[in-house]
Amino acid sequence: AQRVTQPEKLLSVFKGAPVELKCNYSYSGSPELFWYVQYSRQRLQLLLRHISRESIKGFTADLNKGETSFHLKKPFAQEEDSAMYYCALKGGSEKLVFGKGTKLTVNP
Amino acid sequence: GAVVSQHPSWVICKSGTSVKIECRSLDFQATTMFWYRQFPKQSLMLMATSNEGSKATYEQGVEKDKFLINHASLTLSTLTVTSAHPEDSSFYICSARGTSGSDEQYFGPGTRLTVT
Repeated sequence: AQRVTQPEKLLSVFKGAPVELKCNYSYSGSPELFWYVQYSRQRLQLLLRHISRESIKGFTADLNKGETSFHLKKPFAQEEDSAMYYCALKGGSEKLVFGKGTKLTVNP
Repeated sequence: GAVVSQHPSWVICKSGTSVKIECRSLDFQATTMFWYRQFPKQSLMLMATSNEGSKATYEQGVEKDKFLINHASLTLSTLTVTSAHPEDSSFYICSARGTSGSDEQYFGPGTRLTVT
């Protein structure tokens, strides 16, 4: 079974502080992992995917197969980063399995 | 580019009636569209995968006779909630994957369905 766990429903940090949004997954094969973001009153959009190994808006995420994790990190959070963040997994098919999401609030 | 629209954005219907939700890819052709359901403060749950010109593939536990999906063209998929009940009230989101070979899904803005 494919499962994505985001243990934090809410995460609040101050502007300029580092932020880490946790994501753990369960999948027996080699997964593709994604982070999606949903800003207020906007649609869901892809933030980054592990196979790209790129930094988007200062965010990075490294797939750790040993810990089955794909945590999202940013060294200095900005107020505009406030949003809902969803971790998602794609296994052997084209389907995406989403975690429950973490609401990030960056306070001024 | 890669914009997906949904119509309507919000609909209220009476119990027992049917409601149709449209999902359109505006500037690309989508061979595959996905329909998700999202309850308040919950994650997106995939309901079905829709391929143009063929029957939709429904996830376990999703009633295909209740949630009718039609993907008649490369730019349009529809979800019809038949004989709606208050427990069908939810946020329905579609996504579309293009024909270019990329597997990225582009999401619509969602449709809020309220059944009274």
